[in-house]
Amino acid sequence: DTGVSQDPRHKITKRGQNVTFRCDPISEHNRLYWYRQTLGQGPEFLTYFQNEAQLEKSRLLSDRFSAERPKGSFSTLEIQRTEQGDSAMYLCASSLAAGQTSTDTQYFGPGTRLTVL
Amino acid sequence: GDSVTQMEGPVTLSEEAFLTINCTYTATGYPSLFWYVQYPGEGLQLLLKATKADDKGSNKGFEATYRKETTSFHLEKGSVQVSDSAVYFCALRARGGSEKLVFGKGMKLTVNP
Repeated sequence: DTGVSQDPRHKITKRGQNVTFRCDPISEHNRLYWYRQTLGQGPEFLTYFQNEAQLEKSRLLSDRFSAERPKGSFSTLEIQRTEQGDSAMYLCASSLAAGQTSTDTQYFGPGTRLTVL
Repeated sequence: GDSVTQMEGPVTLSEEAFLTINCTYTATGYPSLFWYVQYPGEGLQLLLKATKADDKGSNKGFEATYRKETTSFHLEKGSVQVSDSAVYFCALRARGGSEKLVFGKGMKLTVNP
């Protein structure tokens, strides 16, 4: 399997601009997750999809953030009206869920580093 | 809510030294526990995991045992190498509900030759 890929790897934008990130999961993985990681901290969960359904969203995901996974394959994360506090590494992960038991392992992509000036 | 507390870093060791990175957790019920590693310039990789009490996860010479009584999942390696230099994250996933991973802050390890 090729791993999880993310695009772009780096994004520099000005405050107030909109940005969109893309994540391509490992093929046939039905779950896809977004996390955010700031300097010196561990990743923090943002949201996750099972197939095309968005099943959970963190309180961190303000109304400026929106995530989609329209065909159950790749996903996009859009941030509108970016703020300096949005500067972080945005990580995507995918997993293959089998039935109702949560034993699946999440595999992470390299991340997209966002800098808001 | 669920949380993970890790030993603060950074830590510098000499090659062949013994390594312990402490990790304790707070969660409802019995979560699954993980150690992830992030090598310089790379993404997070799963190092090992344990899904129930007394399970021992192991990989690449690293070990961690799920201790329910002390709510801990300490990572150990008997003899570290320069190639083990990385940031190590302890994480949990609660059982029977959210699929999210909850991570500790991470600990940076540098191993000198």
